[in-house]
Amino acid sequence: AQSVAQPEDQVNVAEGNPLTVKCTYSVSGNPYLFWYVQYPNRGLQFLLKYITGDNLVKGSYGFEAEFNKSQTSFHLKKPSALVSDSALYFCAVRALYNQGGKLIFGQGTELSVKP
Amino acid sequence: EAEVAQSPRYKITEKSQAVAFWCDPISGHATLYWYRQILGQGPELLVQFQDESVVDDSQLPKDRFSAERLKGVDSTLKIQPAELGDSAMYLCASSRQGSTGELFFGEGSRLTVL
Repeated sequence: AQSVAQPEDQVNVAEGNPLTVKCTYSVSGNPYLFWYVQYPNRGLQFLLKYITGDNLVKGSYGFEAEFNKSQTSFHLKKPSALVSDSALYFCAVRALYNQGGKLIFGQGTELSVKP
Repeated sequence: EAEVAQSPRYKITEKSQAVAFWCDPISGHATLYWYRQILGQGPELLVQFQDESVVDDSQLPKDRFSAERLKGVDSTLKIQPAELGDSAMYLCASSRQGSTGELFFGEGSRLTVL
């Protein structure tokens, strides 16, 4: 069965510092991996995805994520955090063989960036 | 930029009442999803449509929930009767057929059951 774990409910960083939001996954075979962001009372917005190829994926708003197959991780990173990055972040996985299938989401990590 | 439209944005109802949510996906997107997001948790799939056909409704509480996408375009999710535990955000998403997984979400419909 597919699953996603986000071990931190909340991450706090100071503006200008680098940020990391952690994600580990479990799936049979090769995964499709995604990060989404959610602002209060809004829908989810796509940030980036890993399908195949380079393990470092670049996405929207300066975010990037690193796929590590041996550690089954897909951590979200940004070199310099902004206050406007404060939001709820979700990691999601889909098994490669199940291209029409559903995304399984983690429970979310609340990112708080202080001035 | 095309968006997924959902209505209503907010709905307050009393338990045992009926409630319905509507979703209009991005034009040309064959796959439509309804997710439920309980406060503090990640979204969970309720039902997935490919055109007008249900692909996955394994997590849909069929005794009280129903969903349809009659013409393969817009969709309606209904709850009858509503229960206190149904209070959540109901998210609709769509994707292109055969896409590598990127879902486009609507703004959601927040349901409060009193």
